[in-house]
Amino acid sequence: DVKVTQSSRYLVKRTGEKVFLECVQDMDHENMFWYRQDPGLGLRLIYFSYDVKMKEKGDIPEGYSVSREKKERFSLILESASTNQTSMYLCASSLGSVDNEQFFGPGTRLTVL
Amino acid sequence: GQNIDQPTEMTATEGAIVQINCTYQTSGFNGLFWYQQHAGEAPTFLSYNVLDGLEEKGRFSSFLSRSKGYSYLLLKELQMKDSASYLCAVRDLSGAGSYQLTFGKGTKLSVIP
Repeated sequence: DVKVTQSSRYLVKRTGEKVFLECVQDMDHENMFWYRQDPGLGLRLIYFSYDVKMKEKGDIPEGYSVSREKKERFSLILESASTNQTSMYLCASSLGSVDNEQFFGPGTRLTVL
Repeated sequence: GQNIDQPTEMTATEGAIVQINCTYQTSGFNGLFWYQQHAGEAPTFLSYNVLDGLEEKGRFSSFLSRSKGYSYLLLKELQMKDSASYLCAVRDLSGAGSYQLTFGKGTKLSVIP
């Protein structure tokens, strides 16, 4: 079974703090994704990566950056957290073929005070 | 860009059949996915359609009509555990990222006794 893990289930940070969300997958997937999920807005893509050290902006990259130094790990960074970044963050991975489904991690619920 | 529409909420009775519709507008369609997401959990893959027609998988079936920009997810013999949100997601190859999906806002299905 594919396993996608995220470093924290719940996280509380203060405005202005730098926040790191880590995601690790154990199935040698080429593609990794970061989404945020908000009520009434659904899942929105922040960034994705199709190879080590490669990254592409999704639909809402503002205020976020990412890092992919190793194939199995994809990090989402909030340089200076703001209250409007309070959300559920979901990481996903998939094989490098267009017809392969994405496998999701359990999510990190981030609250920025 | 893409526009994906699905009903916000539906209610159905245990043992019945329910159809959840999804319409989309995209210029480079290359596949449609359905995911199930229970409250507080990660989305899990249900089905994938890239060609017109019906794909059946146990109690769940998914249909696609590319000419109409339309898909539906059919759930038969509904069980209480089918209460969840159902997410429609479309892959569009015309954008920068051929592996990324755009998700609809989800349909929350409530199964009642």
